[in-house]
Amino acid sequence: SQKIEQNSEALNIQEGKTATLTCNYTNYSPAYLQWYRQDPGRGPVFLLLIRENEKEKRKERLKVTFDTTLKQSLFHITASQPADSATYLCALYNFNKFYFGSGTKLNVKP
Amino acid sequence: DGGITQSPKYLFRKEGQNVTLSCEQNLNHDAMYWYRQDPGQGLRLIYYSQIVNDFQKGDIAEGYSVSREKKESFPLTVTSAQKNPTAFYLCASSPRGSGGLTDTQYFGPGTRLTVL
Repeated sequence: SQKIEQNSEALNIQEGKTATLTCNYTNYSPAYLQWYRQDPGRGPVFLLLIRENEKEKRKERLKVTFDTTLKQSLFHITASQPADSATYLCALYNFNKFYFGSGTKLNVKP
Repeated sequence: DGGITQSPKYLFRKEGQNVTLSCEQNLNHDAMYWYRQDPGQGLRLIYYSQIVNDFQKGDIAEGYSVSREKKESFPLTVTSAQKNPTAFYLCASSPRGSGGLTDTQYFGPGTRLTVL
């Protein structure tokens, strides 16, 4: 089955800097890849989707890249704010199922 | 939480008892999913359903059962056969099932189950 790897260590950055989170996957290249935000004790919330034929996707301060050769997606938050502090999950869609990574916790300090 | 409700938010159960977690959606979505989330781990798929009266096992279905009698409802029963049921359970739905290139999952607020 698909294996998704995200950095389990928390990412600590200063407000205003760019946060970059990594998602690596093994096995099959997915039809598309998604990023979600999860706050403690709550369900994940969808942020962005990028398809296998797209290199980059943007939404306001968010940017996602997708490199099927490296089997990697990068998730960037520019001009980060303390309100961006949360856990960010990547998810792949293959064969009717979604596969989720364990998430990376982002801490943005004022 | 996007029109998906889960109840209760917290649930306590004695070992050996079955318990049913509720999931209702008013988004008119065809597909619904149940996940389990443990600390430090990703979401693991328990069961999913792409249409009423049909469902498939996910990666960790043992000790769980579901039904899909109505489009808007997908209850999950945690049976006494589930060896480590204490976890955070998340229900999700998406507009289309198989083959949808723009499927986005909408999650409920979750139910935290604790076995005493």
